[in-house]
Amino acid sequence: DARVTQTPRHKVTEMGQEVTMRCQPILGHNTVFWYRQTMMQGLELLAYFRNRAPLDDSGMPKDRFSAEMPDATLATLKIQPSEPRDSAVYFCASGLVLGGPNTEAFFGQGTRLTVV
Amino acid sequence: GIQVEQSPPDLILQEGANSTLRCNFSDSVNNLQWFHQNPWGQLINLFYIPSGTKQNGRLSATTVATERYSLLYISSSQTTDSGVYFCAVVEGDTGRRALTFGSGTRLQVQP
Repeated sequence: DARVTQTPRHKVTEMGQEVTMRCQPILGHNTVFWYRQTMMQGLELLAYFRNRAPLDDSGMPKDRFSAEMPDATLATLKIQPSEPRDSAVYFCASGLVLGGPNTEAFFGQGTRLTVV
Repeated sequence: GIQVEQSPPDLILQEGANSTLRCNFSDSVNNLQWFHQNPWGQLINLFYIPSGTKQNGRLSATTVATERYSLLYISSSQTTDSGVYFCAVVEGDTGRRALTFGSGTRLQVQP
C-alpha cells in the first residue's frame, strides 16, 4: 500500500555525533516535507522540496542541519553535530502540488531521536 | 504567517458522548487537513477539507473557508478515539505551500 516510509524509527546518539534520517515518499508525489515535533514547539516545518528542489528551509538551524533529495525516492535529513536540544520526533510527509491547491499530505511514522 | 488556533486544548469524555473540536485560522487557505495522533505517535489522516462538509463513519468535518474556521465532530466516542487531534492549513495567498499546524486538542475518552 502507498505510504511514506521513514528510517530509523528510533535513534539514540551521543552529543556531537552525526545523525542521518531517511524518508521514502509515496510514489508519484512531487513534494516532500520535514517536520519536527516537540512538547514545547509542537509540529514545526523544517524544510520542504518540490521536484527534488529545496523551496523553503527557513525552519532549519543552518549551521548543523541539512536536507537533500538525492533522487525522487529518497529524502534525507542530517544533523551534524547533534545536540541534546535536537531530541524530538522528526516526521517526513509527502504530497502532490501542481498548479492548483495542495492535495492531501501523508505522514510517515516518524523518527524518534534522543541525543544524550 | 498564518495563525491556527484550536479549541478546546483538552477534552475528557465518557464513552458514547459526542464532541465538537474547533479550528480557527487567520487568513485564506487552499488546503485544510484534520489529523489524529494516536498514543503511539502516528499522524493519521482524517479529512482533507479545504471547504464544505465530509463524513466518515462516526466522524464528520465542516470547513467554512469564508469565515475561517473548521469543525470536527466526533459522535458516539470510543476509547480508541483518544489522542491528539490536529488541524493544519496551507496559506492561500502566499508561495509557502506547506501545512501549518495548530497546537492540537488532546482528547481522552474514558470507558
